[in-house]
Amino acid sequence: DTGVSQDPRHKITKRGQNVTFRCDPISEHNRLYWYRQTLGQGPEFLTYFQNEAQLEKSRLLSDRFSAERPKGSFSTLEIQRTEQGDSAMYLCASSFRGNYGYTFGSGTRLTVV
Amino acid sequence: AQSVTQLDSQVPVFEEAPVELRCNYSSSVSVYLFWYVQYPNQGLQLLLKYLSGSTLVESINGFEAEFNKSQTSFHLRKPSVHISDTAEYFCAVSADQGAQKLVFGQGTRLTINP
Repeated sequence: DTGVSQDPRHKITKRGQNVTFRCDPISEHNRLYWYRQTLGQGPEFLTYFQNEAQLEKSRLLSDRFSAERPKGSFSTLEIQRTEQGDSAMYLCASSFRGNYGYTFGSGTRLTVV
Repeated sequence: AQSVTQLDSQVPVFEEAPVELRCNYSSSVSVYLFWYVQYPNQGLQLLLKYLSGSTLVESINGFEAEFNKSQTSFHLRKPSVHISDTAEYFCAVSADQGAQKLVFGQGTRLTINP
């Protein structure tokens, strides 16, 4: 059990560029979650997968955001045409259905300049 | 829908003093309750959780929280804090069914002074 891994740890991008983040959950976990955390706030739910199926998306997830989990293992979160308001920490978490309380990764800090 | 209110954004205390971090929630359905801790430059770690049974839950490092259904609260306490407890603490709630997505409070920054 190597925990939840997120890559990259930091990303600086210019406004208007596309970015993609990767999350590798704990291998036996079938649920995967994405959250966004801005400075001074608690994390906010973005989306969740059970295996490869994306079962719920927050209204925070605009059309510029897309997430995938193609084989039910790792997941990617892509932001197209980034805006300064997208600057935040993007957190990934995983859990096993029936267990409560996720394991979070260390996050990807995005800065849009 | 659920919501969480952490009543204090910052709590400064002296080392070895007791501390209480307050958390209130609202929900129209049964919930599970959690406290997460975030140390500087690290991810969130689960500190403790209430799912059912005894309303008093404890962590391995001396924290405890008590679920009070009538007051819709889940306050976190520690009788004697250490410098190493300096961190951001987040209270969270999830419905007891479905996706179990977490709704977090805004966090309380606990600062321990020597």
